[in-house]
Amino acid sequence: GENVEQHPSTLSVQEGDSAVIKCTYSDSASNYFPWYKQELGKGPQLIIDIRSNVGEKKDQRIAVTLNKTAKHFSLHITETQPEDSAVYFCAASRTNAGKSTFGDGTTLTVKP
Amino acid sequence: ETGVTQTPRHLVMGMTNKKSLKCEQHLGHNAMYWYKQSAKKPLELMFVYNFKEQTENNSVPSRFSPECPNSSHLFLHLHTLQPEDSALYLCASSQDEWGRDRGMDYEQYFGPGTRLTVT
Repeated sequence: GENVEQHPSTLSVQEGDSAVIKCTYSDSASNYFPWYKQELGKGPQLIIDIRSNVGEKKDQRIAVTLNKTAKHFSLHITETQPEDSAVYFCAASRTNAGKSTFGDGTTLTVKP
Repeated sequence: ETGVTQTPRHLVMGMTNKKSLKCEQHLGHNAMYWYKQSAKKPLELMFVYNFKEQTENNSVPSRFSPECPNSSHLFLHLHTLQPEDSALYLCASSQDEWGRDRGMDYEQYFGPGTRLTVT
């Protein structure tokens, strides 16, 4: 089955700095890679996703890059703000599989 | 508000109790999921249902018993739980796998979870 590893487990940055979270996956057939943000007391919510036919995707301050050859993908948050503080999960799946395998999460703290 | 609701939000139960968790989605999805979230294993898939049929049981102990009466509702029946079962139980829904193949929305939508404490 799929195995997803996520690093780092905790990340602390100063407001305005950039944050990068990295994930690797094992199943070369995986072709969908979502990123979820989980705030305290809430369930995870999708913030950005990328499919295997695309190398990079950007949405305002958030971007995701994918390297299919190396089987890794990364989340980039620029100009971080205190409200970006949360737990972030990466995931990988085949689009016809109906489920994703999640990384262990990264706790991001943005210090004002 | 994600369109997925869970009740109760908090539950404390003894090891001999029987209780049920409820999940409801208003998104027209046909796939529903139960996840367990704990400090040891942040997001652990338990069960998957597609069109009311269970398509995955991730080696979950029989003291957890899921039920999916229709595509909008999912239950998790609990009995004789152990203290190590204390965790946040998350429900999610998505398009069924065939909808995904037709290029429809891939996203899983999560509910807020039920915080379960077993004493």
